[in-house]
Amino acid sequence: QQPVQSPQAVILREGEDAVINCSSSKALYSVHWYRQKHGEAPVFLMILLKGGEQKGHEKISASFNEKKQQSSLYLTASQLSYSGTYFCGPLETSGSRLTFGEGTQLTVNP
Amino acid sequence: NAGVMQNPRHLVRRRGQEARLRCSPMKGHSHVYWYRQLPEEGLKFMVYLQKENIIDESGMPKERFSAEFPKEGPSILRIQQVVRGDSAAYFCASSPGLRDTQYFGPGTRLTVL
Repeated sequence: QQPVQSPQAVILREGEDAVINCSSSKALYSVHWYRQKHGEAPVFLMILLKGGEQKGHEKISASFNEKKQQSSLYLTASQLSYSGTYFCGPLETSGSRLTFGEGTQLTVNP
Repeated sequence: NAGVMQNPRHLVRRRGQEARLRCSPMKGHSHVYWYRQLPEEGLKFMVYLQKENIIDESGMPKERFSAEFPKEGPSILRIQQVVRGDSAAYFCASSPGLRDTQYFGPGTRLTVL
């Protein structure tokens, strides 16, 4: 079953923060986050394994609450280069492949 | 270390023709995944393969679509008798093992006239 991402779209001014949420109805082993720019391939951002860990990549970080089957992506002091569509890809505990959400379209304006 | 390679990058077919999409995984990766993406939509899983084996094809249409990953050579996604609804971007991803990070290729944009 497909995870639910929210919001569907968000528009920011450069320097503002954003949070993207990903929620699943299944028990999860890990959550993968990707960013895709228009006309390009998805690019891997980070992977979070169960254990409630939090990871960071420059000013982008994420958390994973395995009990709630939720993950959140935090974008701090956004830059123009952050624009794109963000996908979460949870991996179910009993599964062998990712199921991607519909994506969150992020636009950062000057 | 070269990334995931896909060819062709763009493919135009007329209705009823066959489309063959190729994917060479990253060096050392033996797991390959195929996804389809319609414009402005998400990534839809199609099939997951390991060398010479189909592990999960639950996302693949039952008719006209097939996939293989031979012992030697690239993985191939084959679409027979294409229809206009097959027009989409087809992405391949590879990983070194089960549950590892997947790295995506540049995709093949299929247009059916």
